[in-house]
Amino acid sequence: GQQVMQIPQYQHVQEGEDFTTYCNSSTTLSNIQWYKQRPGGHPVFLIQLVKSGEVKKQKRLTFQFGEAKKNSSLHITATQTTDVGTYFCAGYNTDKLIFGTGTRLQVFP
Amino acid sequence: DSGVTQTPKHLITATGQRVTLRCSPRSGDLSVYWYQQSLDQGLQFLIQYYNGEERAKGNILERFSAQQFPDLHSELNLSSLELGDSALYFCASSPFLMGETQYFGPGTRLLVL
Repeated sequence: GQQVMQIPQYQHVQEGEDFTTYCNSSTTLSNIQWYKQRPGGHPVFLIQLVKSGEVKKQKRLTFQFGEAKKNSSLHITATQTTDVGTYFCAGYNTDKLIFGTGTRLQVFP
Repeated sequence: DSGVTQTPKHLITATGQRVTLRCSPRSGDLSVYWYQQSLDQGLQFLIQYYNGEERAKGNILERFSAQQFPDLHSELNLSSLELGDSALYFCASSPFLMGETQYFGPGTRLLVL
């Protein structure tokens, strides 16, 4: 079946450092979504990318969808303690939204 | 607050028992999704209902079943519970069928002893 892998699984950074998580699908995706789950919380939608090669920015967050629509990345510039949480990518394959394995980000002040 | 509600928030039960988890979608959303999240695990898609009908199925065990009622709320029934069923169960909703943002509820934490 389709798999969506994310690397790294965990990342610890000092506040102010940059952070990137990579998402790779075994199949082509119609779109890619990113969600953030704070510790003890529920996933919250961040953004959706649809077009091949698309890049979107939200303040310090930059999202990219690969040309082949099989991979994506999320880059956070100058991390803050509020960025702590697990970041999931999720891609639609036909009728199901398949979530990636997630990257847990810890930010030390 | 996503607008999706789930009850109960916590549930402790014993192996072999049956439980029902309840979800009310956002006002106007026709699709309801159920996910399972085990400790330190990702989100496993279980099942989707759209306007009362089952539309997509993931890795849902035969011991699990779900339904969506005319008022669009949904229930996830878990039976013959095993220790490994202990997890967070999330419900999510979206306006239509697929390809959209999903809005997650706060989850039900199930502990099977």
